[in-house]
Amino acid sequence: AQKVTQAQTEISVVEKEDVTLDCVYETRDTTYYLFWYKQPPSGELVFLIRRNSFDEQNEISGRYSWNFQKSTSSFNFTITASQVVDSAVYFCALTGSGNTGKLIFGQGTTLQVKP
Amino acid sequence: EAGVTQSPTHLIKTRGQQATLRCSPISGHTSVYWYQQALGLGLQFLLWYDEGEERNRGNFPPRFSGRQFPNYSSELNVNALELEDSALYLCASPRGRGRTEAFFGQGTRLTVV
Repeated sequence: AQKVTQAQTEISVVEKEDVTLDCVYETRDTTYYLFWYKQPPSGELVFLIRRNSFDEQNEISGRYSWNFQKSTSSFNFTITASQVVDSAVYFCALTGSGNTGKLIFGQGTTLQVKP
Repeated sequence: EAGVTQSPTHLIKTRGQQATLRCSPISGHTSVYWYQQALGLGLQFLLWYDEGEERNRGNFPPRFSGRQFPNYSSELNVNALELEDSALYLCASPRGRGRTEAFFGQGTRLTVV
């Protein structure tokens, strides 16, 4: 069975602090894909990143960075110098090697960035 | 390029009625996913349509159904509405088949009273 766990339900930080959102996944597939999405209050899920299981390089995009570690089945997301606009619910998701069209989402982490 | 569009934004129905939700994918995309986001239950996969065919469905009863039209837009129908069907229904348009990133619409907020 596939599963994604985001143990942090809610995180509150003050603007300019760095914050890391944790994601741990379970899968028996050797080929799989991991995703992060952001859901602002408007409701739309905004795609942030896709990573396949063969690419363990960490990635940085502006203030966002992702740390993928297969050894610990984790795909953590760090926001550097957080801003109020980063306040949202963040979801980690997984899809396996089978072409099912199905994303397994974690429960989400609500990030509140206070001015 | 227009993103994924969903209509209506909000829908209020009475228990037992039917609801129809609509989705237009990104131009050039041929697949559509439907997800339900109910309070306390997270995001759950409902249906996948590709090239007009239903390719996969999640663990939902048959009263959740849909279709995809020749222009790749899609409808989600929920029959015999129950109170627990109240949720945000999100449509997504994947860049390609299966494991690529999917771009989501803003959703339809369905409230069953």
